[in-house]
Amino acid sequence: AQRVTQPEKLLSVFKGAPVELKCNYSYSGSPELFWYVQYSRQRLQLLLRHISRESIKGFTADLNKGETSFHLKKPFAQEEDSAMYYCALSGGRGSTLGRLYFGRGTQLTVWP
Amino acid sequence: GAVVSQHPSRVICKSGTSVKIECRSLDFQATTMFWYRQFPKQSLMLMATSNEGSKATYEQGVEKDKFLINHASLTLSTLTVTSAHPEDSSFYICSASFGTAARNTFGSGTRLTVV
Repeated sequence: AQRVTQPEKLLSVFKGAPVELKCNYSYSGSPELFWYVQYSRQRLQLLLRHISRESIKGFTADLNKGETSFHLKKPFAQEEDSAMYYCALSGGRGSTLGRLYFGRGTQLTVWP
Repeated sequence: GAVVSQHPSRVICKSGTSVKIECRSLDFQATTMFWYRQFPKQSLMLMATSNEGSKATYEQGVEKDKFLINHASLTLSTLTVTSAHPEDSSFYICSASFGTAARNTFGSGTRLTVV
């Protein structure tokens, strides 16, 4: 069965400090991994996905199949990064396209 | 970009009544729509997957007779919470997809309170 684990419910850092939001997953096939972000009073939106291997708003995430992890990192956190971050997994090929399984989320607070 | 409109954003209803929530894809045709439920400070839990013109596929533990899903067109899916009870109070979120998970666009959610 698929599972996405985000061990930290809350994470606080000071502005300019590095930040890492952890995500581990379990899935029997080859999943696609995503990070979604939800700013206060806004809808959930895609931040990045492992396939694109890009950096969005200074965030990066590398899929580590050996450790089954997809941690989200940013070298210098900004106050506007404060939000709820969700790690999500999709079954990839052969599974229902668009079907996502979410971790419980990590609330990131960046202090000035 | 792709936009999904979800209405109402907030609804309060009496116990025993039914509530309908709409999810519309405004500028694209959604082959699949998903309905999630989110309890306070918890993750989004997938309730069901609906494809246009066919019956919805419900996740284990989700009562299909209580949460009626209709996906009559490529731009509209509805979730009806029938005979609502206070324990159905929650935040319901829809998403619409055309193709891969990366094209999964979320609605703004509906806060349902059953009194």
